[in-house]
Amino acid sequence: KAGVTQTPRYLIKTRGQQVTLSCSPISGHRSVSWYQQTPGQGLQFLFEYFSETQRNKGNFPGRFSGRQFSNSRSEMNVSTLELGDSALYLCASSPRTVGVGNTIYFGEGSWLTVV
Amino acid sequence: ELKVEQNPLFLSMQEGKNYTIYCNYSTTSDRLYWYRQDPGKSLESLFVLLSNGAVKQEGRLMASLDTKARLSTLHITAAVHDLSATYFCAVDRLGETSGSRLTFGEGTQLTVNP
Repeated sequence: KAGVTQTPRYLIKTRGQQVTLSCSPISGHRSVSWYQQTPGQGLQFLFEYFSETQRNKGNFPGRFSGRQFSNSRSEMNVSTLELGDSALYLCASSPRTVGVGNTIYFGEGSWLTVV
Repeated sequence: ELKVEQNPLFLSMQEGKNYTIYCNYSTTSDRLYWYRQDPGKSLESLFVLLSNGAVKQEGRLMASLDTKARLSTLHITAAVHDLSATYFCAVDRLGETSGSRLTFGEGTQLTVNP
């Protein structure tokens, strides 16, 4: 069974540019969430999507956005990149039915460096 | 605001020894997760704990949950070098629209020395 797939794995962008990261969840999983990991702030929740609807959003500025497609694949976008956006961006998928404890699986992540 | 605290943050131990990592959280939770992360890698799921008194074991690792004390522990038995990694606990709370969000602890960097 294929795991969570994230692309690209590594990328370097310049300040002011925008970036789009992609995530394909495990087959059959309908919930996709995104997390940012930095040495200073640790792991922080960005947003969660379920059936193409954003159900939860973390405390990030509006430059961070996402969406989910009908096949459950998800993308996140960061516009007007800042140096502080350099991080590992992790996508997680889960079957996620409310009230049911499900393991949340993480992808390998996308390493973003902003210069 | 939900806060999750782990201690210790750094743990250096000898092979063959036992130790416990603690995870405290500030408000009621729907479930608690433990993850392992190797350098430069992603998060590997270890345990999901759903209810008070839950205990799960896998190999040399055992996790438990006390919801009344808002405390989870990850116990390492007879540590081996391969267990060297950073361990995170994370608490899941269902959001207002029934979505979920994980709040992570700072992580415990474990080094097992020969």
